[in-house]
Amino acid sequence: SQTIHQWPATLVQPVGSPLSLECTVEGTSNPNLYWYRQAAGRGLQLLFYSVGIGQISSEVPQNLSASRPQDRQFILSSKKLLLSDSGFYLCAWSRQGGTTEAFFGQGTRLTVV
Amino acid sequence: RKEVEQDPGPFNVPEGATVAFNCTYSNSASQSFFWYRQDCRKEPKLLMSVYSSGNEDGRFTAQLNRASQYISLLIRDSKLSDSATYLCVVTYGQNFVFGPGTRLSVLP
Repeated sequence: SQTIHQWPATLVQPVGSPLSLECTVEGTSNPNLYWYRQAAGRGLQLLFYSVGIGQISSEVPQNLSASRPQDRQFILSSKKLLLSDSGFYLCAWSRQGGTTEAFFGQGTRLTVV
Repeated sequence: RKEVEQDPGPFNVPEGATVAFNCTYSNSASQSFFWYRQDCRKEPKLLMSVYSSGNEDGRFTAQLNRASQYISLLIRDSKLSDSATYLCVVTYGQNFVFGPGTRLSVLP
């Protein structure tokens, strides 16, 4: 069976510090991978998606970046966090084709102070 | 105009009630449709896919009207455990676009 792991679960970081969130998928190959952010009381905002190694599409311009160094690894990074980066970050995967559902990791709750 | 819109909610209903959620989407090229459920401070989880012919899963019934670009979810005999935020989701190509969600509170 397929599983998705995302860590850490919670994170408190000072403004201006770097960020690295990691997500890995097991039990499948060549998945589509996604990073979403959910601000408090708001809907999910797609940040990045990837259809293959090294292929990253950015949906929202901001101070975040994403990388996919391996087939089942997706990393969200920032060089300098802003207060507005606080939120619930969710990694997800789906099968290629865009017709089947997405599966989410447990999320990282980031608070920038 | 937002790509996916939902009833603003919240819906507060007594146990045993029937409740319906509505969703509209703007892109006629949308391929697939889903309802997800999100509990407070948790990740979204798939509730059910939505097919053109309509589909049912126990107390839950989903309908899709492609001509009107409209999706619905009906919950019968509401349980306390149904309390959550319900997210309407459509796909465009490889992307999943989420609606803002409708919060449901089932009251004893």
